[in-house]
Amino acid sequence: QVQLQESGPGLVKPSQTLSLSCTVSGGSISSGGHYWSWIRQHSGKGLEWIGYIYHSGNTRYNPSLKSRVTISVDTSKNLFSLKLSSVTAADTAVYYCARAFTILGVVQGFDHWGQGTLVTVSS
Amino acid sequence: QSVLTQPPSASGTPGQRVTISCSGSSSNIGSNTVNWYQHLPGTAPKLLIYSNNQRPSGVPDRFSGSKSGTSGSLAISRLQSEDEADYYCAAWDDSLNGIWVFGGGTKLTVL
Repeated sequence: QVQLQESGPGLVKPSQTLSLSCTVSGGSISSGGHYWSWIRQHSGKGLEWIGYIYHSGNTRYNPSLKSRVTISVDTSKNLFSLKLSSVTAADTAVYYCARAFTILGVVQGFDHWGQGTLVTVSS
Repeated sequence: QSVLTQPPSASGTPGQRVTISCSGSSSNIGSNTVNWYQHLPGTAPKLLIYSNNQRPSGVPDRFSGSKSGTSGSLAISRLQSEDEADYYCAAWDDSLNGIWVFGGGTKLTVL
């Protein structure tokens, strides 16, 4: 059974860079057929897709965050990472990593998720 | 403001059937498939339905999905207390060079 676990600082200062990692167990990031994703949820709000990466390094980002987001993958450690620069209080949210699955090469949805980690942006 | 519109709340009694709607537009639900997720706060969200009406293995057949035009719908039959959770719809949106969009979520209460 594939499991994902987020890790990283729970508190980030304004204007700094938020950095999170997602360790994947029970399956290989390199196996293909999946995109490795970051999704966040502001308190009391809906979910917001941040972006995803394929094991080859190809990425796709939410246009509203694209200028500040970098998602990378480390296949040797079976993990992928999120960096969000120039954070403000508006970036305070629970951040989830998730696996997106494909059918005939088309992403269908997110079939495995981490439990989420709260990141607070505050001085 | 979420791109996909869901009612903020829904309720039912054990054994009843409830439905949750998800309204979108031609660029998302109108041209792509709908997913549904169940989320208990503090836990990992769970995929319930993909491709409008497909259930991943392990999801009970009490959960079903449908799509018509620019709207999707999740139905839960034979409601159980453990179904009390937040439910989210999602779809790919072809606008803005492509983006996954979600609904604002529906809190289901089992009375």
